[in-house]
Amino acid sequence: GENVEQHPSTLSVQEGDSAVIKCTYSDSASNYFPWYKQELGKRPQLIIDIRSNVGEKKDQRIAVTLNKTAKHFSLHITETQPEDSAVYFCAASMGRRSGYSTLTFGKGTMLLVSP
Amino acid sequence: DAGVTQSPTHLIKTRGQQVTLRCSPKSGHDTVSWYQQALGQGPQFIFQYYEEEERQRGNFPDRFSGHQFPNYSSELNVNALLLGDSALYLCASSSVGTDTQYFGPGTRLTVL
Repeated sequence: GENVEQHPSTLSVQEGDSAVIKCTYSDSASNYFPWYKQELGKRPQLIIDIRSNVGEKKDQRIAVTLNKTAKHFSLHITETQPEDSAVYFCAASMGRRSGYSTLTFGKGTMLLVSP
Repeated sequence: DAGVTQSPTHLIKTRGQQVTLRCSPKSGHDTVSWYQQALGQGPQFIFQYYEEEERQRGNFPDRFSGHQFPNYSSELNVNALLLGDSALYLCASSSVGTDTQYFGPGTRLTVL
């Protein structure tokens, strides 16, 4: 089955700096890659996603890049703010191709943004 | 428009007992997936229900079972609880044929 590796496990930055979180996946059939943000004691919230027919996607301060050949994808957060502090999870899925989309998650990255 | 809801919020059980967790999907969604999130880990897929049938299953024993009702809500049942079953149980809903899954707030299960 699919395996997703996520690095780093913790990331500390100063407010205003950029943060980058990287993930690799094993199954070349995966074609959907969402990123979730989970604050302490709360539900995972989808912040951005990308499909395999796209190399990059941006939404304000957040961007995701995908390299299908290398089977890795990354989350980029610019101009970080203290409220960005949370655990971020990447995930991979074979998506609609399989008929029923299930997610395989990485182990998460705890991002701490210091004022 | 109500999002995904789950009940109860917290639950404490002892080893060997059985537990039932409940999930109501987001309005307009017909597919429910269940995930187990151990402390400090990413969510792990348990199973997925569509049209009241289990469509896919992760690497979990038969002690974990589920059900989906005609109104698309779902239950997760765990029998013969073990200490290792202590975790946050998350429900996610989606529409069949789409990729995006929205999560509920979870049920925190503690097994003593």
